Amino acid sequence: AQSVTQLDSQVPVFEEAPVELRCNYSSSVSVYLFWYVQYPNQGLQLLLKYLSGSTLVKGINGFEAEFNKSQTSFHLRKPSVHISDTAEYFCAVSETGGFKTIFGAGTRLFVKA
Amino acid sequence: GAVVSQHPSWVICKSGTSVKIECRSLDFQATTMFWYRQFPKQSLMLMATSNEGSKATYEQGVEKDKFLINHASLTLSTLTVTSAHPEDSSFYICSARGPNYGYTFGSGTRLTVV
Repeated sequence: AQSVTQLDSQVPVFEEAPVELRCNYSSSVSVYLFWYVQYPNQGLQLLLKYLSGSTLVKGINGFEAEFNKSQTSFHLRKPSVHISDTAEYFCAVSETGGFKTIFGAGTRLFVKA
Repeated sequence: GAVVSQHPSWVICKSGTSVKIECRSLDFQATTMFWYRQFPKQSLMLMATSNEGSKATYEQGVEKDKFLINHASLTLSTLTVTSAHPEDSSFYICSARGPNYGYTFGSGTRLTVV
């Protein structure tokens, strides 16, 4: 079974500052990793995913994440955030070849002017 | 890209009535769809995995007789909340596994039971 831990429930940051949202996972098998963004009263939108290959994954809206197998982490980063990045961000994991996706508790990113 | 349409986006119903939520994959076929429930300011909880042409697989603690799932075609899965009660009020989201191992989510349904 897998589990996902998002270490910060809320992250306030000023506009144009860099941000890192932390995610750790546990699994006894190989996994795929995902980051999703959710705006109020909306579904989830995929930001990026790691399936295999390069450990640095680039996604939409200027976000990137790095898969670190030894630390079982998949932290999300953006060098300069905008007000419009204010949203809930979910880290998720699924077994390779599996179907179920397990979500972390979410991190609320709040960008201040 | 892969698009999943979920309908309705919000619904209010009286206690004791049933509500059906539809999830459609618009430009791809989805043999497997997933239904999640999300409480305010919380993460998504997987309720069940919907398999085309067969019975849904429910997660532990989810009442299959209350949350009826039907996946009659490769593009449509429905979730029916039967005999709804106020505690069933929540945000329900479906997702489908699309091409390139991407999961596409519907826009969600806000259910309020009064």
